[in-house]
Parts: sequence; C-alpha cells; structure tokens
Amino acid sequence: AQSVSQHNHHVILSEAASLELGCNYSYGGTVNLFWYVQYPGQHLQLLLKYFSGDPLVKGIKGFEAEFIKSKFSFNLRKPSVQWSDTAEYFCAVHGGTSYGKLTFGQGTILTVHP
Amino acid sequence: GAGVSQSPSNKVTEKGKDVELRCDPISGHTALYWYRQRLGQGLEFLIYFQGNSAPDKSGLPSDRFSAERTGESVSTLTIQRTQQEDSAVYLCASTDLMSSYNEQFFGPGTRLTVL
Repeated sequence: AQSVSQHNHHVILSEAASLELGCNYSYGGTVNLFWYVQYPGQHLQLLLKYFSGDPLVKGIKGFEAEFIKSKFSFNLRKPSVQWSDTAEYFCAVHGGTSYGKLTFGQGTILTVHP
Repeated sequence: GAGVSQSPSNKVTEKGKDVELRCDPISGHTALYWYRQRLGQGLEFLIYFQGNSAPDKSGLPSDRFSAERTGESVSTLTIQRTQQEDSAVYLCASTDLMSSYNEQFFGPGTRLTVL
C-alpha cells in the first residue's frame, strides 16, 4: 500500500526566509507526485506536479519541488516566503493501478510572520 | 460550472441520523472522487467513479457509507446512522483523465458535525 509522510506538522517562518517542506512516500513502482495547497478559507488547489522527465519541477508562486527517486522524496522549496504563503500544504502520490486516487500526507501548516 | 461545487457547506446532525452530501463536478470531467479529512489529518480516500465503470469503493470505512453517481454528473455520498467519528470535512474532486491526467480539482467541502 502507498503511504506519504510529511515531516513537519507546523512550520513558522519570517518573511524572506527560505522554505523546505519534507515529503517521503513509500511505493516501489512508477509514481506521480503532487503538492496541493489550501489557503485559509479556500479550496485545495494544485501547487505543482511531477509525472516524468526533469526531476526539478516548478509550480505557481515561485514554488519548486525536487523528485529524488533514490530517497523516495519530493520536497517542496521556496527561496523566500511571503506572508501570503501562509497555508496548509499537502503532499500526495499516485502510483500503480490505483485508478487515479491520491494518497495524501497529513499536511504541513505554514505560518509566515510579516 | 466553473469549479467543483458541494452542498451543503456545513451540516450538523444528531448521532444516528442519516445524511446526504452532494457534489457537482466540473462539466465534462469523467472521474469523481470523495475524500474525508478529519481534524489535523490528511485526506483519506473514500470512493472513486470513472465513467460507467464499477466504482472503486475500497476506501469506504463501513457499510454505513455509500455513494452514487449518475453518468458523469452529480454524485451523492450518504452516511447512514451517523456516529461522532464521522465528523470531518468531506471533499469531492473531479478530473478529466484524458486531458489533465490526475490533476484533481477539489470542491470547498462539506463540514459534517455529528453531535
């Protein structure tokens, strides 16, 4: 069975600090990887995704993530966070023949102080 | 519509009552998913519909949970004899597997509180 682990439950940063949110998954086959974000009072929305090719993927709002197959990791990064990045971030994986259902991590709450 | 819509946005019910939650997917999206998010936890897959294929019900936690979808339109999730542990946000998502493979578009959710 697939599983996703996000290392941090709550991260608190000041504006302009760099961000890295950890995500590890367990699945031995080909995977598709996602980061979703939920801003306060809003829907879950896709931040970025990896299907194949360049393991460094860029998403919206200056976010990027790197797929490291050997480490089963897909960490999310941003060089300089803004107050508006305050949100909850979810890593998710789709693998094998699970017909598209996603397995989510437990989420990381990011609070950015101005 | 422009996005996935769900109703009601909030539902408070008494233990033992039945509830029905509704999801309107994005028009043309062939796949529809239900997830549950308990407080402080990630999303938990419940059920998946894809066209006219048999739904994947592997995530339903008990036989009190059921869901239906007519064609590629509205879906309803029914919880019978609700229990306090059913309290959660129920999220619906849809996707068009042909054009945006597995990019799931989520609705705002229904917050269910069982007293």
